[in-house]
Amino acid sequence: KAGVTQTPRYLIKTRGQQVTLSCSPISGHRSVSWYQQTPGQGLQFLFEYFSETQRNKGNFPGRFSGRQFSNSRSEMNVSTLELGDSALYLCASRTGQKQETQYFGPGTRLLVL
Amino acid sequence: GESVGLHLPTLSVQEGDNSIINCAYSNSASDYFIWYKQESGKGPQFIIDIRSNMDKRQGQRVTVLLNKTVKHLSLQIAATQPGDSAVYFCAAHGSGNTGKLIFGQGTTLQVKP
Repeated sequence: KAGVTQTPRYLIKTRGQQVTLSCSPISGHRSVSWYQQTPGQGLQFLFEYFSETQRNKGNFPGRFSGRQFSNSRSEMNVSTLELGDSALYLCASRTGQKQETQYFGPGTRLLVL
Repeated sequence: GESVGLHLPTLSVQEGDNSIINCAYSNSASDYFIWYKQESGKGPQFIIDIRSNMDKRQGQRVTVLLNKTVKHLSLQIAATQPGDSAVYFCAAHGSGNTGKLIFGQGTTLQVKP
């Protein structure tokens, strides 16, 4: 079974621009969660989507948004980029059952200049 | 708020020795815990998990111990190998069906040949 895939793997943007990242979950997984990883803050939860609905949200500003499609693929969008948004963005998928492992993709490395 | 902390940012061990990585969590309602390994340039990779109704779980060369009384868990790696060199994260899952994981800051395991 193919793992979680994320595209693109690397991105360079400038302040003020917006960016869209994509995540394809493991086949059969209906839940996709997004995380931001930085050296200073570590891994922080952004949001979770399940069956096209946002089920949980972390403590990030409204510039960070996401969506999920009927095939469970998910996108996250960051608008009005700031230097501090430079990070590794990871998505993780699971079927959606309680107490279940999440499997991570390789991440998208975003650099904001 | 909820937090997960690791006791040591770096652990250096000799090849063949056993490694123990510790983690503390704050939310007594957390009912599921996962250990991940992250190598440079990759996403976190699942190692082992444990539910709150257990106090020990064993995998291949790895054991996780959970002490709910003091809200502490540990990861033991037997016969540590150079390929075990990576950053290790513990993550706590809140109660209920949520994709939100609270991650610790990570412990870098260095294996000396």
